[in-house]
Amino acid sequence: DTAVSQTPKYLVTQMGNDKSIKCEQNLGHDTMYWYKQDSKKFLKIMFSYNNKELIINETVPNRFSPKSPDKAHLNLHINSLELGDSAVYFCASSQDLGVPTGNTIYFGEGSWLTVV
Amino acid sequence: DAKTTQPNSMESNEEEPVHLPCNHSTISGTDYIHWYRQLPSQGPEYVIHGLTSNVNNRMASLAIAEDRKSSTLILHRATLRDAAVYYCILRDVRGNQFYFGTGTSLTVIP
Repeated sequence: DTAVSQTPKYLVTQMGNDKSIKCEQNLGHDTMYWYKQDSKKFLKIMFSYNNKELIINETVPNRFSPKSPDKAHLNLHINSLELGDSAVYFCASSQDLGVPTGNTIYFGEGSWLTVV
Repeated sequence: DAKTTQPNSMESNEEEPVHLPCNHSTISGTDYIHWYRQLPSQGPEYVIHGLTSNVNNRMASLAIAEDRKSSTLILHRATLRDAAVYYCILRDVRGNQFYFGTGTSLTVIP
């Protein structure tokens, strides 16, 4: 069973379109994240949700809107896609509450977004 | 968050031990030291983590300096499947931040 699954794995779309990437985790974790990895392979955190509440919102254009319908899901919606949005987007989750020993984070396999 | 510094790249011969260093001179007392790796075309995966004492698991060992300002990830016998980017990350257990640096790209030579 895949612990953190995200769909689609590959997405090619035109500039100006709106698209969503879905993420689900079956680990019972209370925190979920979206990371962006650009062409230089730098992994940058975009958002973090804890129990459906937004707790980290890095400097990300407001065209990016995360939505967490429940604590097992964190979807990423992107409006008016631009060429610079082309990247790999990783969803991740971790258990933060009641974990005193330094919790680990589990990543999905990534969604390769190409904007043309 | 405290920063980490790692070499950009390292090479190792197959079946030899590999020592991947990480400097974190501004580490705070509540920061855990985490190591993750990212294989080509995959998401990062957990390798090991520790606070003060050295740690061993089936994947690797983590040696933490006494002053905690540096650590070393040890792969006891490198295989071709260990070729990846290895990230050293500090995480405050009180927070939800998990910031990746540039990592060390490990090449394993057959």
